[in-house]
Amino acid sequence: DAGVIQSPRHEVTEMGQEVTLRCKPISGHDYLFWYRQTMMRGLELLIYFNNNVPIDDSGMPEDRFSAKMPNASFSTLKIQPSEPRDSAVYFCASSLAGRAGYTFGSGTRLTVV
Amino acid sequence: GNSVTQMEGPVTLSEEAFLTINCTYTATGYPSLFWYVQYPGEGLQLLLKATKADDKGSNKGFEATYRKETTSFHLEKGSVQVSDSAVYFCALSDLAETSGSRLTFGEGTQLTVNP
Repeated sequence: DAGVIQSPRHEVTEMGQEVTLRCKPISGHDYLFWYRQTMMRGLELLIYFNNNVPIDDSGMPEDRFSAKMPNASFSTLKIQPSEPRDSAVYFCASSLAGRAGYTFGSGTRLTVV
Repeated sequence: GNSVTQMEGPVTLSEEAFLTINCTYTATGYPSLFWYVQYPGEGLQLLLKATKADDKGSNKGFEATYRKETTSFHLEKGSVQVSDSAVYFCALSDLAETSGSRLTFGEGTQLTVNP
């Protein structure tokens, strides 16, 4: 299995631009999580899905952030408009109910200048 | 709510030294407990887990025992290597035996092992 695949690995964008991060979970996994990691705040859960349905988005920092999961094999996290304080590493993770533990992707390092 | 408290880092050791990274938790139910490791530039990887009291998780020479009486899950390794240099995260899940529940992570402990 190729694991959880995220793209792009690195993204540099100007303030005000729209940014879209992508995630392909492990085939058959029914949970998908989006995390943000910064030095100041550590790991933060932004949103998670079960069977493509958003379950908890209370971690989404503000309306500029949105996430979708149109099917079981793809999810996006969008920031519009982006701001310098959004600079972070964004991780996607997936899991299979009944088996303990997540599998994380390698992350997308976002820099907003 | 649930929370995880980890030993503050950074931790710096010499090769072959003994490692302990402390982790304590607060949970309302009977959580599963995890240690994840993050190598530079990579995502988090599951290192080991324990799903009930007195269980011992082990992997790659690392061990941790689920202690309900002290609400702890300390990570240990008898002899560290330079390649163990990474950030280590303790985590718990809301429900035992399910990965579908969200994980609550500690703040992470940076370990550096010098030759």
